[in-house]
Amino acid sequence: AQSVSQHNHHVILSEAASLELGCNYSYGGTVNLFWYVQYPGQHLQLLLKYFSGDPLVKGIKGFEAEFIKSKFSFNLRKPSVQWSDTAEYFCAVTLFSGSARQLTFGSGTQLTVLP
Amino acid sequence: EAGVVQSPRYKIIEKKQPVAFWCNPISGHNTLYWYRQNLGQGPELLIRYENEEAVDDSQLPKDRFSAERLKGVDSTLKIQPAELGDSAVYLCASSLESGGASGELFFGEGSRLTVL
Repeated sequence: AQSVSQHNHHVILSEAASLELGCNYSYGGTVNLFWYVQYPGQHLQLLLKYFSGDPLVKGIKGFEAEFIKSKFSFNLRKPSVQWSDTAEYFCAVTLFSGSARQLTFGSGTQLTVLP
Repeated sequence: EAGVVQSPRYKIIEKKQPVAFWCNPISGHNTLYWYRQNLGQGPELLIRYENEEAVDDSQLPKDRFSAERLKGVDSTLKIQPAELGDSAVYLCASSLESGGASGELFFGEGSRLTVL
């Protein structure tokens, strides 16, 4: 069965530190990759997505992610985090199986940025 | 543009009681999803609708869960009877494309259920 793994459950950083959140998926076929974010008290919203082309994609608020096909990874990065980046981050993968497309989420990583 | 609207935001019930959640998707979005999010986990799909047709309900526990989207717009998810393990956040989402092909789902704020 398809799965998405986020190995860091909780990450604590100071402001201006660099961020990298790991995401791995287990599927060898065609995939679309996403990062969603949930700020405290708010709904899930799309941060960035990768369908094809340049494996380095840029999203909102200075976030970027790199798709490494050989490693089945789609890690999220930000050079310098801010207190307002405190949120829960979910990696998600759409797996294409016939005509079915199912969006599967990882378990999430809680990021706490200390002022 | 109004987002996905869900109600109630919070619900506390005793086990064996029924409960229902309501969702109004973004106007024009034909695809509607119900997800369940357990504490410390990511959302898991329960059911997906294309207009009024349930096209993926393989993860819906059909013995106690039911859902409907009669006019292809708003939707209701029901649990009867509720069990302790049903405590979770129930998320509704909608998307413009059929099957959520672009992957961009728009989520509501969720309905947090506590079963005592």
